[in-house]
Amino acid sequence: AQSVTQPDIHITVSEGASLELRCNYSYGATPYLFWYVQSPGQGLQLLLKYFSGDTLVQGIKGFEAEFKRSQSSFNLRKPSVHWSDAAEYFCAVGRLLNDYKLSFGAGTTVTVRA
Amino acid sequence: NAGVTQTPKFQVLKTGQSMTLQCAQDMNHEYMSWYRQDPGMGLRLIHYSVGAGITDQGEVPNGYNVSRSTTEDFPLRLLSAAPSQTSVYFCASSDPPGGAFFGQGTRLTVV
Repeated sequence: AQSVTQPDIHITVSEGASLELRCNYSYGATPYLFWYVQSPGQGLQLLLKYFSGDTLVQGIKGFEAEFKRSQSSFNLRKPSVHWSDAAEYFCAVGRLLNDYKLSFGAGTTVTVRA
Repeated sequence: NAGVTQTPKFQVLKTGQSMTLQCAQDMNHEYMSWYRQDPGMGLRLIHYSVGAGITDQGEVPNGYNVSRSTTEDFPLRLLSAAPSQTSVYFCASSDPPGGAFFGQGTRLTVV
């Protein structure tokens, strides 16, 4: 069975500071990993994905994530946060090429203070 | 390009009523899925489809039915609404390995 843990329910960060969101996954085979962002009242937008190749993945809005197989982690980072980054972030895992059967973490809410 | 369109955006039902949540995509994706989102639980898969005429159950299928008669549409039916089905419902379509594209969601309240 596949599962995802996002250890931080809520993170508060100052505008301009760096941000790191943690994601740990459990999966028996090659995982297919995603980060999504959800603004209030909106759907989910894909930030980035990983399934092979370079373990450092670049996404939209200045985000990047690093896949570490030895730690079963796929942490999301942004060097300098903008107020518009306040949202809820979800990590998800699926079987390779099966991105229609995703398991999501519970989400991390990011608050950005001026 | 509209992407994934869900209707309605909001709905209030009485316990025992039935309704259909509509989902349409215009990207010609073979794969479509329904998820529900509850506080502190992320999104959980209800049903999914790998093509017209092919559907299967996800993690939390009880109380829901789906069908897929066309590539574009994937409606979700609540047979007899219960308060436990109060949730936000998201439809998604995908074309691996591109990742899933989500609709704006339907917020359902069952009283």
